[in-house]
Amino acid sequence: AQSVAQPEDQVNVAEGNPLTVKCTYSVSGNPYLFWYVQYPNRGLQFLLKYITGDNLVKGSYGFEAEFNKSQTSFHLKKPSALVSDSALYFCAVRPNSGYSTLTFGKGTMLLVSP
Amino acid sequence: DAGITQSPRHKVTETGTPVTLRCHQTENHRYMYWYRQDPGHGLRLIHYSYGVKDTDKGEVSDGYSVSRSKTEDFLLTLESATSSQTSVYFCASVTGDTSTDTQYFGPGTRLTVL
Repeated sequence: AQSVAQPEDQVNVAEGNPLTVKCTYSVSGNPYLFWYVQYPNRGLQFLLKYITGDNLVKGSYGFEAEFNKSQTSFHLKKPSALVSDSALYFCAVRPNSGYSTLTFGKGTMLLVSP
Repeated sequence: DAGITQSPRHKVTETGTPVTLRCHQTENHRYMYWYRQDPGHGLRLIHYSYGVKDTDKGEVSDGYSVSRSKTEDFLLTLESATSSQTSVYFCASVTGDTSTDTQYFGPGTRLTVL
């Protein structure tokens, strides 16, 4: 069975500083990995995904994520945080063989202070 | 994002009453999903559909049923609502053409069972 761990319930960062939201995964075979963001009272919005190829994936709103197979991690990063980045972030995984459902982590709340 | 709408957006109901939530998508996506979101649990899959009249159970399917009579509509029914089903419900869809497809989410339905 596949699983995702987001070890931090909340991440606090000052505006202008770099941010990292951590995600580790467990899956049979190779993974497809996704990051979504949820703003208050909204649905989930797709940020980026890793399918294959370059381990550094660039996505929406200046976010990027680094796939590390040996550490089974897919951390979300941004060089300079904005107050408007404050939201709930979800990591998700599924195996790359066949078609199966996504498994989500429990989410990490990112709070960016002015 | 994909044209996914959910109705109603908010509902308050009594324990023991039946409730039906509707998900409608205009993208002709083959796959559709129902999730529930609860604090500390992230998103958990309730049921999904891989075509008209083709559905399968997810992680937390007890107490829920689904139906898909048309490609664009996916209904979630709580036959006899309980307080433990108070949650925010999200629908998602994906083309299903390839396993790398991205799921897109609706805006959510906030359900309160008194």
